[in-house]
Amino acid sequence: AQKVTQAQTEISVVEKEDVTLDCVYETRDTTYYLFWYKQPPSGELVFLIRRNSFDEQNEISGRYSWNFQKSTSSFNFTITASQVVDSAVYFCALSEAEITGGRNKLTFGTGTQLKVEL
Amino acid sequence: EAQVTQNPRYLITVTGKKLTVTCSQNMNHEYMSWYRQDPGLGLRQIYYSMNVEVTDKGDVPEGYKVSRKEKRNFPLILESPSPNQTSLYFCASSSGSDGYGYTFGSGTRLTVV
Repeated sequence: AQKVTQAQTEISVVEKEDVTLDCVYETRDTTYYLFWYKQPPSGELVFLIRRNSFDEQNEISGRYSWNFQKSTSSFNFTITASQVVDSAVYFCALSEAEITGGRNKLTFGTGTQLKVEL
Repeated sequence: EAQVTQNPRYLITVTGKKLTVTCSQNMNHEYMSWYRQDPGLGLRQIYYSMNVEVTDKGDVPEGYKVSRKEKRNFPLILESPSPNQTSLYFCASSSGSDGYGYTFGSGTRLTVV
């Protein structure tokens, strides 16, 4: 069974600090996809990144970067020079490529609440 | 614009009063799902559908029903809501197994009193 663990329930930082959100996953599949979503106070889910299991290249998008390490089953997310607008709940999620019985399920972690203060 | 539309955004109801949360997508996706989000639990799948007239239970299906009579619509039905179904609900659609195409609705915040 697939599982995603976000051990950090809440993180508080001061603006301009760098912060890393941890994500550890479990799956028996060799082909899978990892995601990060942002949920601002308004409640919607904002897609940030998708990574497939065969692409271990780190990715940078502006102040955001992601470190995917299959050896440790981790897909960590770093925000550089955090801003107040980054305050949100962040979810890591996993999808296995093989659709068993048509389920096509995203398995989510429990989320990390990030608070960025002035 | 490609989107998943859920209605209503907010709903307060009383225990036992049947309700339906609608979900519609305009991307011709085959796969649709409902999730509920609860504090400390993340999002959990309630029901899913892989095509018209094909639906099945997810991880937390008790107390819910769904139907898929048309490809674009996937309503969530609570026949007799109870307070433990107070939650934030998301509808999602996707194009298949390649990991692309997960699109979520804006969410429905349901309170059952």
